[in-house]
Amino acid sequence: GQSLEQPSEVTAVEGAIVQINCTYQTSGFYGLSWYQQHDGGAPTFLSYNALDGLEETGRFSSFLSRSDSYGYLLLQELQMKDSASYFCAVTNAGNMLTFGGGTRLMVKP
Amino acid sequence: DAGVTQSPTHLIKTRGQHVTLRCSPISGHKSVSWYQQVLGQGPQFIFQYYEKEERGRGNFPDRFSARQFPNYSSELNVNALLLGDSALYLCASSLGYGGNYGYTFGSGTRLTVV
Repeated sequence: GQSLEQPSEVTAVEGAIVQINCTYQTSGFYGLSWYQQHDGGAPTFLSYNALDGLEETGRFSSFLSRSDSYGYLLLQELQMKDSASYFCAVTNAGNMLTFGGGTRLMVKP
Repeated sequence: DAGVTQSPTHLIKTRGQHVTLRCSPISGHKSVSWYQQVLGQGPQFIFQYYEKEERGRGNFPDRFSARQFPNYSSELNVNALLLGDSALYLCASSLGYGGNYGYTFGSGTRLTVV
């Protein structure tokens, strides 16, 4: 089977940096994705890592270590609008996207 | 450009009834996936279709079925509704299939079974 573990909740202040970790167990791993979902909204694609290393997109970066079955999403210069749920998701050989339970990020002034 | 559109946005059904949910992907996207999201949890994969063929099926009972039409729109059907089927049903489209394409999600259909 497949499983993903990520913290249920993280709190940080505006302007700070926060890291959301994700560990996974899956067979036939292809890549790790991150999605953002605001309350009442649809998940929005943030990033995809297929190879080890860091991918940077503006204030957001995502990291993958395939040997450790581990990845993280790094959010810099936090803004109030970043308050949302963040999901890691793995793509396996069957091209199925399996989501973690989500991390609720609360950004405080 | 229109995003992924789903209809209806909200639906209330009675146990034992049948429901059909509809999804129109972004123009040019050939892959459509369906997910079920229970409040406070991550989306759970139900089906994926690419070029009108089923390419993946999640761990859902046979009461759940789907299809993709020649124009790449899709329907999700659920028979013999149970209270536990109450959830947000999300449709996602992408150019191909595989996480590297990045799925674009619709706003979902909120299904309540009473």
